[in-house]
Amino acid sequence: DADVTQTPRNRITKTGKRIMLECSQTKGHDRMYWYRQDPGLGLRLIYYSFDVKDINKGEISDGYSVSRQAQAKFSLSLESAIPNQTALYFCATRDRGLETQYFGPGTRLLVL
Amino acid sequence: QKEVEQNSGPLSVPEGAIASLNCTYSDRGSQSFFWYRQYSGKSPELIMFIYSNGDKEDGRFTAQLNKASQYVSLLIRDSQPSDSATYLCAVRYPNTGNQFYFGTGTSLTVIP
Repeated sequence: DADVTQTPRNRITKTGKRIMLECSQTKGHDRMYWYRQDPGLGLRLIYYSFDVKDINKGEISDGYSVSRQAQAKFSLSLESAIPNQTALYFCATRDRGLETQYFGPGTRLLVL
Repeated sequence: QKEVEQNSGPLSVPEGAIASLNCTYSDRGSQSFFWYRQYSGKSPELIMFIYSNGDKEDGRFTAQLNKASQYVSLLIRDSQPSDSATYLCAVRYPNTGNQFYFGTGTSLTVIP
């Protein structure tokens, strides 16, 4: 089984809809991240969490919110989706004191 | 503003040649530098990282840091067709809560 999973893997939604992307990990890492990837813009950090009670905004947090329900689960919400939130979204985990980030398989989101 | 810049390529090299990838960063205080590989349709995976105190070699890969000019390079020796991918440079900036900033990636094609 994959260590970092994301659901759904693909999603099409309409402008104004609320949508949640979920990330789960079995690696036991305390740090979790949400990124989006756009052609020509690379990976950009949306939110990150160092533990259940420590959540921080990243470079592009506007229009997004997150919830760290447990050490293993980190969800990203788009309260009212807009077309420019169409992107590939990645969750990542990292263990404290170590450098390697482990990425999930990604969620491809299309907002019409 | 924290910036990480890469030439998007594409960079093409013949099999067996040395591929050289470069990345520039904006903050002199950066101390951690990362190279990720991303195959088409897949998630990024860490190849190697270096700190500001030195270069690193790992098999066919060498990461080098030039602090004075603020750039990081990745050399791939004896390039193989399986090295064809997009290579992402990332920098961790300590004054931003240790956030990771990624470049847009360089596409590498190794021609058999």
